[in-house]
Amino acid sequence: GNSVTQMEGPVTLSEEAFLTINCTYTATGYPSLFWYVQYPGEGLQLLLKATKADDKGSNKGFEATYRKETISFHLEKGSVQVSDSAVYFCALSGDWGKLQFGAGTQVVVTP
Amino acid sequence: ETGVTQSPTHLIKTRGQQVTLRCSSQSGHNTVSWYQQALGQGPQFIFQYYREEENGRGNFPPRFSGLQFPNYSSELNVNALELDDSALYLCASSLGQGGHTEAFFGQGTRLTVV
Repeated sequence: GNSVTQMEGPVTLSEEAFLTINCTYTATGYPSLFWYVQYPGEGLQLLLKATKADDKGSNKGFEATYRKETISFHLEKGSVQVSDSAVYFCALSGDWGKLQFGAGTQVVVTP
Repeated sequence: ETGVTQSPTHLIKTRGQQVTLRCSSQSGHNTVSWYQQALGQGPQFIFQYYREEENGRGNFPPRFSGLQFPNYSSELNVNALELDDSALYLCASSLGQGGHTEAFFGQGTRLTVV
């Protein structure tokens, strides 16, 4: 079946540091890939997505490229802010749009 | 503002009781999915409703059931509550059910079973 594996947290960074969160997946077919963000006490917000191989999703300075050869969708941001502190979830979309999530990576950005 | 609203936001129930959670989907969306997110974990798919019919179910027992109404709002019902049912329950709405469809999440209902 489908699965998503992402790096464990917490990831603690200083403001303006470079952020990478690794995400790999296994899936049948050609799923869409997503990154969602969850701020404390809130639901999930879509951060970015990619629907096919070599697509790059980007939003708010975050980027991720759908790599079919390495079955990866790593999230990157060049310069993080304190407001980026949150839990980040990698997900893939399988049958009928069902989302399969990774376990989440907590990111803590300190001033 | 995603337009997906869930009620209530918090709820405390006793083991063995029944609970109903509600979700109002974003305007124009005909598909609603429910997820359970235990503390410190990623959301797990419970089931999906498309045009009032259940259309896919995750690995959850039959005591988890749902409904979708003609206006596409939805309910999640859980019978015979267990302590392990304590979690954040998330509703997501989308237009259609394809794999590339973007889902919009509500803020969730925090259920505590004591």
